[in-house]
Amino acid sequence: AQSVAQPEDQVNVAEGNPLTVKCTYSVSGNPYLFWYVQYPNRGLQFLLKYITGDNLVKGSYGFEAEFNKSQTSFHLKKPSALVSDSALYFCAVRESDTNAGKSTFGDGTTLTVKP
Amino acid sequence: GAGVSQTPSNKVTEKGKYVELRCDPISGHTALYWYRQSLGQGPEFLIYFQGTGAADDSGLPNDRFFAVRPEGSVSTLKIQRTERGDSAVYLCASSQGLAGGSEQFFGPGTRLTVL
Repeated sequence: AQSVAQPEDQVNVAEGNPLTVKCTYSVSGNPYLFWYVQYPNRGLQFLLKYITGDNLVKGSYGFEAEFNKSQTSFHLKKPSALVSDSALYFCAVRESDTNAGKSTFGDGTTLTVKP
Repeated sequence: GAGVSQTPSNKVTEKGKYVELRCDPISGHTALYWYRQSLGQGPEFLIYFQGTGAADDSGLPNDRFFAVRPEGSVSTLKIQRTERGDSAVYLCASSQGLAGGSEQFFGPGTRLTVL
């Protein structure tokens, strides 16, 4: 079985400060890991993914995430937050060894960036 | 280009009725996924197709739920004898197959309300 935990329902940061949205996962074998963002009244949008290789992955809108195998984590980060980053963020995992298509999502973290 | 589209955007039905939800994936995407999202939760996997066949339907909650993709493009999620607990947003996504951990492109969802 595979699972994702996003331990924080809400993250609040001030504009210009660094942000971190946490994600830990559990999967048999090696993972594919994804971050998606959901803006109000819009569908989920892909931000970035870890497949293999460099543990630091860079994605859209200046976001990056660090894969840590020993801690089974894939935290989303951004050096300087913008008010427009305020949205709902989802982490997802898929098992890579069998190339299975089933993805498991966390329950989401609401990021609020205040001016 | 056109993204994933879902129709209808909203569906209100009465308990016990039959409903069909339609998904048009991005042209050329071979993999198609259905999820259900309840308020305050992340997308919950239902089923995914690789081509015309259901590769994994382990997420369908019971035999009232069924999905088809007869020509490997458009998919229909069918729910028989709807119950109030079926009320949720039903999301469809597509991807360019599964190789390399392809990211998913989501539609806007169909909000199903069972009265």
